[in-house]
Amino acid sequence: ILNVEQSPQSLHVQEGDSTNFTCSFPSSNFYALHWYRWETAKSPEALFVMTLNGDEKKKGRISATLNTKEGYSYLYIKGSQPEDSATYLCARLSDDYKLSFGAGTTVTVRA
Amino acid sequence: DGGITQSPKYLFRKEGQNVTLSCEQNLNHDAMYWYRQDPGQGLRLIYYSQIVNDFQKGDIAEGYSVSREKKESFPLTVTSAQKNPTAFYLCASSRGQGVYEQYFGPGTRLTVT
Repeated sequence: ILNVEQSPQSLHVQEGDSTNFTCSFPSSNFYALHWYRWETAKSPEALFVMTLNGDEKKKGRISATLNTKEGYSYLYIKGSQPEDSATYLCARLSDDYKLSFGAGTTVTVRA
Repeated sequence: DGGITQSPKYLFRKEGQNVTLSCEQNLNHDAMYWYRQDPGQGLRLIYYSQIVNDFQKGDIAEGYSVSREKKESFPLTVTSAQKNPTAFYLCASSRGQGVYEQYFGPGTRLTVT
């Protein structure tokens, strides 16, 4: 992996269902992984900053895991609600403190 | 309210003109950043500044310039040397570099014709 990649590019989920998606990144020179939520017409907002292999973070119904050795992170949304509709960005911080973003996963929650 | 402001929200310029995008923060953050977003791509780092009077090039600095004369302000100038300036520009700040989360402004959409 040369760049930060997110999959899928977009997904639709029924209200109440759970979902998850992936961020893959180069594992070399890794310093931290950021997750942001970007709602339409708003600014991106930070969800998590993760640094340690095996780290798990949770905020409400959203949680994330991190595997720094193989270079991936999963974001989970439990019991999706319409307000979870947004683009979720992940970004890898390298040890030169530069943040490299993926193109995002756009989640649409259908009522 | 603490936050980051960017102005204007929409900006139109003729090709060959320089244009300056404003970014101000009242969060007392040391680090500030400029990103560019193009359709289907992730945010790309243009310039960043860790402290007043210091800044470094990001991944796509060619055709751009910045200054950091005050802690609160980090203006970005898009020069006529930038070949594809039409894009959405986001400014961000953080307490420092490293593991600190970044706070983003609302963005400026620049259209150059």
